[in-house]
Amino acid sequence: GAGVSQSPRYKVTKRGQDVALRCDPISGHVSLYWYRQALGQGPEFLTYFNYEAQQDKSGLPNDRFSAERPEGSISTLTIQRTEQRDSAMYRCASSLGGIGGQWGNYGYTFGSGTRLTVV
Amino acid sequence: AQTVTQSQPEMSVQEAETVTLSCTYDTSESDYYLFWYKQPPSRQMILVIRQEAYKQQNATENRFSVNFQKAAKSFSLKISDSQLGDAAMYFCAYRSDPTGANSKLTFGKGITLSVRP
Repeated sequence: GAGVSQSPRYKVTKRGQDVALRCDPISGHVSLYWYRQALGQGPEFLTYFNYEAQQDKSGLPNDRFSAERPEGSISTLTIQRTEQRDSAMYRCASSLGGIGGQWGNYGYTFGSGTRLTVV
Repeated sequence: AQTVTQSQPEMSVQEAETVTLSCTYDTSESDYYLFWYKQPPSRQMILVIRQEAYKQQNATENRFSVNFQKAAKSFSLKISDSQLGDAAMYFCAYRSDPTGANSKLTFGKGITLSVRP
């Protein structure tokens, strides 16, 4: 597509429920990133993929968080047994960058985010 | 680990005037990229400007320019001829290992810029 698409745009869920957040990157973009942004803060890295391979998941806060990108395109971030502290904006970004090469030349394109509220 | 610090939570500028937003960072790496992103009320994250650490020349994009001081680890954004549409939250970001495989961004906490008509 023309941009990075995230759905849903808003999600309100009850504590203890599982949620799945979807990211559809720009067609052809190799790299896909997930960030979390608390209110009044900068985005914090969660995880990223090159194609379908998860390269770095060091930012996932605990084992309730997981992400996948099975076909190297659409990605899903899943939060199990949600807690109130999980409430935040979840942002996805994609980039042309692949393995090796001039990574720095490839900028990110961010999606509009999913605002998750756990009540 | 790299850290990015934006110590000014808010700033205000008169329309048509110039404003400078500050950012410092900490790293032991010699090669990296620095960015300024704009986040307007629409929630978009928009790339404003990018600086490669190995380049001594400061990056410029129309009304936006940076003052990159590598030794001081400082990366400030100057907005000239401020416009009402510049009102937004601005984030400074660091990206290490530009020719490798790990290209995650580390962001500062952001600064809210308001523009007075």
